[in-house]
Amino acid sequence: GAVVSQHPSRVICKSGTSVKIECRSLDFQATTMFWYRQFPKQSLMLMATSNEGSKATYEQGVEKDKFLINHASLTLSTLTVTSAHPEDSSFYICSANRVPNEKLFFGSGTQLSVL
Amino acid sequence: QQPVQSPQAVILREGEDAVINCSSSKALYSVHWYRQKHGEAPVFLMILLKGGEQKGHEKISASFNEKKQQSSLYLTASQLSYSGTYFCGTGAQGGSEKLVFGKGTKLTVNP
Repeated sequence: GAVVSQHPSRVICKSGTSVKIECRSLDFQATTMFWYRQFPKQSLMLMATSNEGSKATYEQGVEKDKFLINHASLTLSTLTVTSAHPEDSSFYICSANRVPNEKLFFGSGTQLSVL
Repeated sequence: QQPVQSPQAVILREGEDAVINCSSSKALYSVHWYRQKHGEAPVFLMILLKGGEQKGHEKISASFNEKKQQSSLYLTASQLSYSGTYFCGTGAQGGSEKLVFGKGTKLTVNP
């Protein structure tokens, strides 16, 4: 089955630093990928839709300059949390589908802890 | 708009049945169901694209009532492995592929 790889799985950083999270589709091309944020015991909140070769579409309330998304190729999207602060600590997870409206394949998630 | 899931949590003994509901105030084009275990990625269960559609996989099935704008997930003869948080994700027709997920239903199956 299709696999989406996300890296790193866990990162601890100091406040003020930037963190990059990678999401790769390993055996299919993903023109669209999705980035979510999940707080403990809460739902998956869509942050943005990452579009290959164009700008990401951000959900209302998500700071574009804070969460930079780059979808440079058909198999790779990156999320960079810039100038991270403790309130950015969360579980970030990406997903992609091979065909529109088909099931989503999720990455394994990245637990970000900002000290 | 975020779909509403009910119940928020349910505790079962192995072998018992459960129903999880997902309703939306908006017209639905698709409903996805996923299960997530603690610290792991959500895993796909099934997708329903048509009103009236019902699907099943082993002892887990789902229905989609387009008119009522709701979907239900049925777990029969639950197993310990069914424990986890179940999310429904809804998609709107004419919109993008993005899904909006409910808050989840935490299912605990005890021996």
